[in-house]
Amino acid sequence: ETGVTQSPTHLIKTRGQQVTLRCSSQSGHNTVSWYQQALGQGPQFIFQYYREEENGRGNFPPRFSGLQFPNYSSELNVNALELDDSALYLCASSLEAVQETQYFGPGTRLLVL
Amino acid sequence: RKEVEQDPGPFNVPEGATVAFNCTYSNSASQSFFWYRQDCRKEPKLLMSVYSSGNEDGRFTAQLNRASQYISLLIRDSKLSDSATYLCVVKGTEANNLFFGTGTRLTVIP
Repeated sequence: ETGVTQSPTHLIKTRGQQVTLRCSSQSGHNTVSWYQQALGQGPQFIFQYYREEENGRGNFPPRFSGLQFPNYSSELNVNALELDDSALYLCASSLEAVQETQYFGPGTRLLVL
Repeated sequence: RKEVEQDPGPFNVPEGATVAFNCTYSNSASQSFFWYRQDCRKEPKLLMSVYSSGNEDGRFTAQLNRASQYISLLIRDSKLSDSATYLCVVKGTEANNLFFGTGTRLTVIP
């Protein structure tokens, strides 16, 4: 196991609602990246947090936002949920922002009805 | 144009077969390349990094052709346990993010 944990494992929401997903990085890792994986697709980069600051963002709208806490755990918040937000949300931690190896958590499966 | 393009398969091969996966990437400035493996309903796990000189890890061989912007993975003597989706991954040049292909599904048949 990678030591990266995510909660909850599964979640069902309705359109327009808001959701918060959580990630605890591997011990000693200060960088967390979030990815969205739709069914049948590869993961797509949402954003990265390094030492509590956003350190890069993919092509996702502002209703996708995040936080990183002093213990380097992280949250992904999605407002005004849309049906297309249904996906597996993965977080990955790395030792430093420049480190290439990212270790993925088991993901949170979000279904938006 | 997608950053990483992969043949989604599926590839169905008998045990013991050799199978090759290929992918292409669009950004010629990319420097780091990987193959990840993803089992059904699980998270991606790093299989191996890909170096210009090519690298081998047991039955797995990865190759990079920078001129053609092409990455390959060869699996020899396929095992049932190799059944999974194989994701071609390229590290971004602006942010420290990873660009994933759609994945190639492999099923090894007894």
